[in-house]
Amino acid sequence: DQQVKQNSPSLSVQEGRISILNCDYTNSMFDYFLWYKKYPAEGPTFLISISSIKDKNEDGRFTVFLNKSAKHLSLHIVPSQPGDSAVYFCAASARGTGANNLFFGTGTRLTVIP
Amino acid sequence: DGGITQSPKYLFRKEGQNVTLSCEQNLNHDAMYWYRQDPGQGLRLIYYSQIVNDFQKGDIAEGYSVSREKKESFPLTVTSAQKNPTAFYLCASRPGLESYEQYFGPGTRLTVT
Repeated sequence: DQQVKQNSPSLSVQEGRISILNCDYTNSMFDYFLWYKKYPAEGPTFLISISSIKDKNEDGRFTVFLNKSAKHLSLHIVPSQPGDSAVYFCAASARGTGANNLFFGTGTRLTVIP
Repeated sequence: DGGITQSPKYLFRKEGQNVTLSCEQNLNHDAMYWYRQDPGQGLRLIYYSQIVNDFQKGDIAEGYSVSREKKESFPLTVTSAQKNPTAFYLCASRPGLESYEQYFGPGTRLTVT
């Protein structure tokens, strides 16, 4: 059963505009959330994370928002750049459940159009 | 340069053969992981190891085996019992028990025909 869901397989955005990638989760024990970026035939790279004690974390052009009551998080990229085109994976973890293992969503392919 | 290396990048095998994928890290990380990625799917956990000489099954361990004889190395063997072995395999490591972020290698694309 998929505990982390990314319901949009793909997203296209014009360069300079905002990209919003969404992620939902079902396990209320998750207390840490991460976003990874992946290019084809490469390993994912860590992008940004957020603890459940926060509702927002910002790092440059990337901001992650967490809505615990809705079990929803989102990644905002502003402004979007062509180099941001990649697959973005949302991941979640629950402290104490199997060595902080990560549960991944199925990914959203972002295409930034120049 | 510190990092995680996986070799080879591409691997081809005939059906019925066992094949071992290499994963090495020089980050001094305690935990290591193996994932599999298939088209349109997320990363699925095969095996993980928190310390040397100890490893645990993940969600899809059937048809796979691992060893963790050294902290730096966590090889994955894809056995002939794995029904659909063709996939992109990713190795990752994590610094310690208190951390969440995992750092990934470049992956190995295994094709079995």
